[in-house]
Amino acid sequence: GQQLNQSPQSMFIQEGEDVSMNCTSSSIFNTWLWYKQDPGEGPVLLIALYKAGELTSNGRLTAQFGITRKDSFLNISASIPSDVGIYFCAARQSMNYGGSQGNLIFGKGTKLSVKP
Amino acid sequence: DTAVSQTPKYLVTQMGNDKSIKCEQNLGHDTMYWYKQDSKKFLKIMFSYNNKELIINETVPNRFSPKSPDKAHLNLHINSLELGDSAVYFCASSHGTVNEKLFFGSGTQLSVL
Repeated sequence: GQQLNQSPQSMFIQEGEDVSMNCTSSSIFNTWLWYKQDPGEGPVLLIALYKAGELTSNGRLTAQFGITRKDSFLNISASIPSDVGIYFCAARQSMNYGGSQGNLIFGKGTKLSVKP
Repeated sequence: DTAVSQTPKYLVTQMGNDKSIKCEQNLGHDTMYWYKQDSKKFLKIMFSYNNKELIINETVPNRFSPKSPDKAHLNLHINSLELGDSAVYFCASSHGTVNEKLFFGSGTQLSVL
């Protein structure tokens, strides 16, 4: 089935560092999204991308929709402690794929923690 | 003034019991969802309702039955709970059925003993 491979699985950050994570698939998608989940909360949408090659920013966050439409990356510049959490990429399945009618599918997440 | 609220936050129960999780949204959205997040944080859709009608029903045991009394509410009833049902269940809503901008509740952590 359509799957999203997200990496890295986890990473440690020091305040002020830039952070990069990405999401790849063997399938083509028309929409890529990035969500963040804080502990004990539901995911919150950070950025939505709708066109191949699109580069979109939201404050210190920048995300790009890959040209091949099979990948996306998220960068966080000058990280701060409140950036810790789990970041999920998500993409919309093709309509009628296996009867799933365009479900939103999620990657397995990148967990951001603070370096001890 | 929570947009998507679900109750309870925590649910601990014995195998074989029947339990319900309630969800309400005050965003005026017409589509609501249930997602399951396992211990490895993998999020998978279970159900989707649009204007009280079921539009997505993923491969979920029929022990799980969603009920939407109106478009602002989508409850999840689970019969004969099993150990493998332990997970965090998230309700979400969106405007329209093909909308990536999901608003999630804060989750219900279900522990089956």
